[in-house]
Amino acid sequence: DSGVTQTPKHLITATGQRVTLRCSPRSGDLSVYWYQQSLDQGLQFLIQYYNGEERAKGNILERFSAQQFPDLHSELNLSSLELGDSALYFCASSGQAYNEQFFGPGTRLTVL
Amino acid sequence: AQSVTQLGSHVSVSEGALVLLRCNYSSSVPPYLFWYVQYPNQGLQLLLKYTTGATLVKGINGFEAEFKKSETSFHLTKPSAHMSDAAEYFCAVKDNYGQNFVFGPGTRLSVLP
Repeated sequence: DSGVTQTPKHLITATGQRVTLRCSPRSGDLSVYWYQQSLDQGLQFLIQYYNGEERAKGNILERFSAQQFPDLHSELNLSSLELGDSALYFCASSGQAYNEQFFGPGTRLTVL
Repeated sequence: AQSVTQLGSHVSVSEGALVLLRCNYSSSVPPYLFWYVQYPNQGLQLLLKYTTGATLVKGINGFEAEFKKSETSFHLTKPSAHMSDAAEYFCAVKDNYGQNFVFGPGTRLSVLP
């Protein structure tokens, strides 16, 4: 158990809909990272937050947005969903020591 | 920009045989290097990491990796494969100034009986 929690575990929705994925980092970790993992694209970095502020941006679509709240949990919002958004979405957190990342179990999103 | 390459998207070994998974990186500054393992339907789990000091790093489950600066490599090895080692393995690099991790494309390890 990495200490990072993600909800929900599975999500099935339809094209055009909007969903919110939730992540709670390890206790004391200030950084939260979001990744998308699909069969054809591999593991893609989406976005990083540090103590409530956006720190780095990767291959995140404009239809996607994220935020980190004062209690350090983070949410990833995916809107106008397309079939191609079906993937595993991982959250990871890191602390100060060498910044290794600890991954949550992921949310499997299926868009029908 | 940093990049990570992993030679071989799929590697098969026999149970008891040597495991060698290759990782090469590009970084203009001394990097931090990591190997993660992902079992089916699970998140990534840290196997081992190199930050500073000894270049041969030992991790969990009998794995080790050696940082070779001259070759910009960080290959993962295990002397004797076990069936439970079947998983996807990701190499990652982070420079000690930036914020981003860069992950390699992953290598799927199959262990044959």
